[in-house]
Amino acid sequence: NAGVTQTPKFRVLKTGQSMTLLCAQDMNHEYMYWYRQDPGMGLRLIHYSVGEGTTAKGEVPDGYNVSRLKKQNFLLGLESAAPSQTSVYFCASSLQMGRSEAFFGQGTRLTVV
Amino acid sequence: RKEVEQDPGPFNVPEGATVAFNCTYSNSASQSFFWYRQDCRKEPKLLMSVYSSGNEDGRFTAQLNRASQYISLLIRDSKLSDSATYLCVVPLPRSGNTPLVFGKGTRLSVIA
Repeated sequence: NAGVTQTPKFRVLKTGQSMTLLCAQDMNHEYMYWYRQDPGMGLRLIHYSVGEGTTAKGEVPDGYNVSRLKKQNFLLGLESAAPSQTSVYFCASSLQMGRSEAFFGQGTRLTVV
Repeated sequence: RKEVEQDPGPFNVPEGATVAFNCTYSNSASQSFFWYRQDCRKEPKLLMSVYSSGNEDGRFTAQLNRASQYISLLIRDSKLSDSATYLCVVPLPRSGNTPLVFGKGTRLSVIA
């Protein structure tokens, strides 16, 4: 039972580099989310998706782009990484929005130097 | 008032103690509430859901007070393994752009 899988688990980027974080879920969930977690700030929503082919901005979307070409995958892209994007990134999925459990991936620890 | 507010702690309690955390929320239209547990350097995991006045699961009890707009989490007979950060989650109505709003968490350390 894989649940929600994130790749990679760790990454170090240089300022200005780009990368894509992949989130895959095998629970046939419609809703998927990308959060970042920083010390003292809690979990903040970056982008989310309510279904295949849809995306929406969350609380802190600047500097990130997302795509949901397949229902099971939700990609988070950083076009030009900045040190302020050093964080732990969590992907999550849920069957319903707001009324069912959200399942999280194990997180991606990203450092931008 | 912030959307979701929690006392950050840390709460340091001895084994066997009873401890309670509160979480206040700003949107009176919120209908469902959750407590998640997050261990150090791990992902959050659902602990309890609260849809009506409260919920109980073993040593854990969650209560909802809609009039005062807060939910609480009570842990009885604390175990060392309860040491974690407890996140209050309040899903906002669909019209908002933050479907799941997390509190910053309350850190609990249970001491032998």
